[in-house]
Amino acid sequence: DVKVTQSSRYLVKRTGEKVFLECVQDMDHENMFWYRQDPGLGLRLIYFSYDVKMKEKGDIPEGYSVSREKKERFSLILESASTNQTSMYLCASSLGQGGETQYFGPGTRLLVL
Amino acid sequence: GQSLEQPSEVTAVEGAIVQINCTYQTSGFYGLSWYQQHDGGAPTFLSYNALDGLEETGRFSSFLSRSDSYGYLLLQELQMKDSASYFCAPGGGSGYSTLTFGKGTMLLVSP
Repeated sequence: DVKVTQSSRYLVKRTGEKVFLECVQDMDHENMFWYRQDPGLGLRLIYFSYDVKMKEKGDIPEGYSVSREKKERFSLILESASTNQTSMYLCASSLGQGGETQYFGPGTRLLVL
Repeated sequence: GQSLEQPSEVTAVEGAIVQINCTYQTSGFYGLSWYQQHDGGAPTFLSYNALDGLEETGRFSSFLSRSDSYGYLLLQELQMKDSASYFCAPGGGSGYSTLTFGKGTMLLVSP
C-alpha cells in the first residue's frame, strides 16, 4: 500500500513565523502535490513537483514556496505565516507517467495566530 | 478558464440510489476522477474515467460524456458509511498532469 505521511497533524504558529510542512511518500512516486482545503472552497492546488528539484506553481502559490531535494520528500514552506493561511494542508503523490490516482496524506491542520 | 460544478449537498436514505453530477470546463482535459473524503479524513480515490461511458466498481459507478463535459458518480445500495464528501476532479492522464478539484458534494445518508 502507498503511504504518504505528513510531519504534523496539528500545528499552531504565530504570525510572521517561518513554517515548514513536510511530506514523505514511500512508493517512489514521481509526482507530489500540496493542496489546502478550506470550508466551502474545496481543495486548491498550491504547488506540485514532477521530479526532484522541479516545482510548478498551482492555482494559489502566493505566500508559499516548496522544496524537493529528494524524490520521496516534498516540503511546503510558509515564509512568513499570516492568519489567512490558517487551513488544512494536504499532501498527495502520484505515479506520474499517466498515473491518475493521487494518494493523500492525513493532512496538517495549521492555525496561525 | 476553468470551471467545475457539482451540487453542494445531497441527502438520501439507506438502501437508496443517488447520483452526483459534475459539469466541467477545463483546458487539456484527459479524464475525470472521483474522490471520497470522510469528515476529518484524507481524500481517497474512487474511480477514473478516461473514455466515455460507464465504469462500475462494486456499488459505485462513474460515467463520463466528453462531448457534454459531464460526468456523474452513482452510488447504489447506500450505507451509512457512505456519508462523506465526494469530489469530481478533471485532469490526469499524462505524466505532468494535475487534477482540478471541485468544492465537493456532501452526501448525507440517513437511516
